[in-house]
Amino acid sequence: DAGVIQSPRHEVTEMGQEVTLRCKPISGHDYLFWYRQTMMRGLELLIYFNNNVPIDDSGMPEDRFSAKMPNASFSTLKIQPSEPRDSAVYFCASSLTAGGGTEAFFGQGTRLTVV
Amino acid sequence: DAKTTQPPSMDCAEGRAANLPCNHSTISGNEYVYWYRQIHSQGPQYIIHGLKNNETNEMASLIITEDRKSSTLILPHATLRDTAVYYCLLQGGNEKLTFGTGTRLTIIP
Repeated sequence: DAGVIQSPRHEVTEMGQEVTLRCKPISGHDYLFWYRQTMMRGLELLIYFNNNVPIDDSGMPEDRFSAKMPNASFSTLKIQPSEPRDSAVYFCASSLTAGGGTEAFFGQGTRLTVV
Repeated sequence: DAKTTQPPSMDCAEGRAANLPCNHSTISGNEYVYWYRQIHSQGPQYIIHGLKNNETNEMASLIITEDRKSSTLILPHATLRDTAVYYCLLQGGNEKLTFGTGTRLTIIP
C-alpha cells in the first residue's frame, strides 16, 4: 500500500475562496482522522470518522469547516470561506482500529496558505 | 488537555543512546502508551507502543514503570536522522489520539 495519500501537497488561495483538501486512507482501515498543525497550537484533532461515519467533530473550529467521507477510500476537508488564520499544515491519518493497540499512519500533509 | 508531560527539548550525541522521558501519572488501566515522532515538515510517524510490559522493535525500546505513571523511549544508537519532535501519547477507551507539545530532540554530531 502506498500509505495515506493527501492532495494537494501545497495550496495557496485568496481569502474568501473555497478550499478542498483530499485524503485517501490506507485500504482496510476503519478510522480516519483530520489534524491541523500550527506553530501556536501544535497538532489539533479536528474530526475523525469510523466506517465513514463522523464520530467526533468537536475539534472543528467553526462552521466554515466541514468534512465528509463518502466512501471508505476518500475523505475531504472543506473550508468555505477561507481566512488567513486557516493557514496551517493539515494532516490526514488512518488506522485499522482505535482505542489502543494499533498505530495510526499519517499522510505527508497539505500546507495551506491563505493570503 | 494533555495527559502526558515531556521536557520541551533535549540534546544527545550521535552514536549514544537517547533516553526520552514521559510522565503520565493519571493513566487509566486500559490506556496504552504511544510514541510518535515528527521529522521536520513530515507527517508524524509511529515508533512504538505498550500497555504494561517493556517493548522493543527495530526503531526503539519502550520502558514503562511498574506503576505505569511514567515511561522512557530509548533510541539505542542515535543518528542525525533521529533529530525530530517526539510525542508521548495515551490512547485507550477514548478513540482520540491527542498530541501534546512533545520533546524536540537534537542529535549533536
